[in-house]
Amino acid sequence: DGGITQSPKYLFRKEGQNVTLSCEQNLNHDAMYWYRQDPGQGLRLIYYSQIVNDFQKGDIAEGYSVSREKKESFPLTVTSAQKNPTAFYLCASSIVPGQGFDYGYTFGSGTRLTVV
Amino acid sequence: GENVEQHPSTLSVQEGDSAVIKCTYSDSASNYFPWYKQELGKRPQLIIDIRSNVGEKKDQRIAVTLNKTAKHFSLHITETQPEDSAVYFCAAPRGGNQFYFGTGTSLTVIP
Repeated sequence: DGGITQSPKYLFRKEGQNVTLSCEQNLNHDAMYWYRQDPGQGLRLIYYSQIVNDFQKGDIAEGYSVSREKKESFPLTVTSAQKNPTAFYLCASSIVPGQGFDYGYTFGSGTRLTVV
Repeated sequence: GENVEQHPSTLSVQEGDSAVIKCTYSDSASNYFPWYKQELGKRPQLIIDIRSNVGEKKDQRIAVTLNKTAKHFSLHITETQPEDSAVYFCAAPRGGNQFYFGTGTSLTVIP
């Protein structure tokens, strides 16, 4: 199914609870990304990683954490510090291009997180 | 900071007509512009892209044009079909293979 798998598809979080969203790819891509999608807004970057054991904050990293222990996996934890976590979360991957040369993304099918 | 503006936010066309979505960007050094299609409840998928060394690229019924001077690029869909109904996103690079994404255009093709 496109080489990048997100799970679960739907997730419900209680107040004060941490939850982890899974993202796995078998495309041999070095770079992976997490985006948040809200109605009427463009995709906003949460975290990204271009190599194993290294990752960088994006524009809206507060209240989120990630790890990159394996090339194939880039899980996202939504912590209790994230005050408005209800959103659609998209994971993506790409090759790491040369300097000044970009490539498009392969996206996962997303996880819809709802706070209950 | 740099961003991308996308218009219109919603677009309805009759089946068989053409649809045009336009995006503007601010960084004159930007050199790669992808377009994604996201059907309801599904993942965004890359449908076409263009690099700054060309002004137009076509793939069957879809085409993208780039005007570097005016810093805008557009998606053109001809002979629209109901299965073209989706949200379309443009993107422009911001360095390190990261992108600024437009806010999306919801296209409805009326049979």
